[in-house]
Amino acid sequence: ETGVTQTPRHLVMGMTNKKSLKCEQHLGHNAMYWYKQSAKKPLELMFVYSLEERVENNSVPSRFSPECPNSSHLFLHLHTLQPEDSALYLCASSQEGLPHEAFFGQGTRLTVV
Amino acid sequence: KNEVEQSPQNLTAQEGEFITINCSYSVGISALHWLQQHPGGGIVSLFMLSSGKKKHGRLIATINIQEKHSSLHITASHPRDSAVYICAVRSGTDKLIFGTGTRLQVFP
Repeated sequence: ETGVTQTPRHLVMGMTNKKSLKCEQHLGHNAMYWYKQSAKKPLELMFVYSLEERVENNSVPSRFSPECPNSSHLFLHLHTLQPEDSALYLCASSQEGLPHEAFFGQGTRLTVV
Repeated sequence: KNEVEQSPQNLTAQEGEFITINCSYSVGISALHWLQQHPGGGIVSLFMLSSGKKKHGRLIATINIQEKHSSLHITASHPRDSAVYICAVRSGTDKLIFGTGTRLQVFP
């Protein structure tokens, strides 16, 4: 248990569905991240929130919409996804500033059908 | 070419063997992380280092800043060590850049 909890662990959704991924951390960290992990590719950073402000958006399509209502929670809202969006979505948190460890959640395995 | 390269991509070993996984990077870094990802997907941070060597149980991580190279060693490997091991560097712009991972399988 890393202190970062993601739900759901598995999600199957149709291309016309709307769903949300949730991430929660109670480690007192002030930065949270969404990563995408596709098969045989390095982890790709999608979004970074620092002190609840989005500070980075790595050219992610608008069908992915993040939300950070407070420093402990991070959501990724999904709508009209494509099959190629099927991947493992990982949330992480860390303390901003000095080189620091990132703590990862277990991930949500998303399948778009 | 990835900024972080790991080798080998896949590794099989017999229980008890000494294992080495290598990571080379081409950018300036402030720290390097070794991560372990189990089949379910969850990632655990094993080490964060910026110089020298760290040891935790049967795991040893070393880094050579001049050569831009790090190694992760597992002594007396065990089937429960089977996982994907990921090297990640924190760049000068404070981004985490990941390698593609090394898939390790240890057989009894």
